[in-house]
Amino acid sequence: QQQVKQSPQSLIVQKGGISIINCAYENTAFDYFPWYQQFPGKGPALLIAIRPDVSEKKEGRFTISFNKSAKQFSLHIMDSQPGDSATYFCAASRMDSNYQLIWGAGTKLIIKP
Amino acid sequence: KAGVTQTPRYLIKTRGQQVTLSCSPISGHRSVSWYQQTPGQGLQFLFEYFSETQRNKGNFPGRFSGRQFSNSRSEMNVSTLELGDSALYLCASSAGQGTYGYTFGSGTRLTVV
Repeated sequence: QQQVKQSPQSLIVQKGGISIINCAYENTAFDYFPWYQQFPGKGPALLIAIRPDVSEKKEGRFTISFNKSAKQFSLHIMDSQPGDSATYFCAASRMDSNYQLIWGAGTKLIIKP
Repeated sequence: KAGVTQTPRYLIKTRGQQVTLSCSPISGHRSVSWYQQTPGQGLQFLFEYFSETQRNKGNFPGRFSGRQFSNSRSEMNVSTLELGDSALYLCASSAGQGTYGYTFGSGTRLTVV
C-alpha cells in the first residue's frame, strides 16, 4: 500500500513533442505528490508538486494532472526540449508519516533533437 | 542561501573498510534524510534524522548507520564495505515540522573495490 508505481521506465520523445510520465498509488492517505528531475551527477531537484484538492497544476511547460478517483497522477512536458533529458521521479507523502517521501522507480527521458 | 552540501564528492574504498559521509543541510532545516541510488534501483531510503533523533529507517543492514549533530549536520557511516555498496549516496534536507518536500545535495559517489 506504500508503493508508488511509475511508468514508463524509459521514454524517447522528439523535440517539440509532449512527454508523459505516469504514476499510480494505493494509499489514499497520501496528500502531497511531487515530481523531481535529476540530471547525471546531480541530486534530484523538485520540479513541481500537487495536493489532491486540485486536478491540475501548471508551471511553464510542466503540468501535473491528478486523478483522485483513479489514484493516478502524471507529468506532462509540453514542447519537450533536449535540455529536458533527465531522469524523472514521482513521489508521494503524507502528514502522518512525518512527510516521508515514497518514491517511484524513475523514468529516463531522452529528447531527440 | 547555500544549498545542501555533501562531502566528499567522490570516494574510493577497499572492501572491508569503513567510510563516513558528511551532509550539511540548508540553514534552518532540521530534517536530514539519506538515500542510496544505484542504477536500476532508484532511490532507496536509508534513514531520516530530525533534531538529532532518528525518525525513520529504511531496510538496510546494521552496517549502515547515521547521526545528526546539534547544528543539524549529519554523517552517515558504512562499516565493512561490500562491493554492492558502490552507489551514489544522497542527502536531502527539509525544514521538518509541517513542511513537505526535500532539497537534495549533489551526492557522494562511493566506489568500493
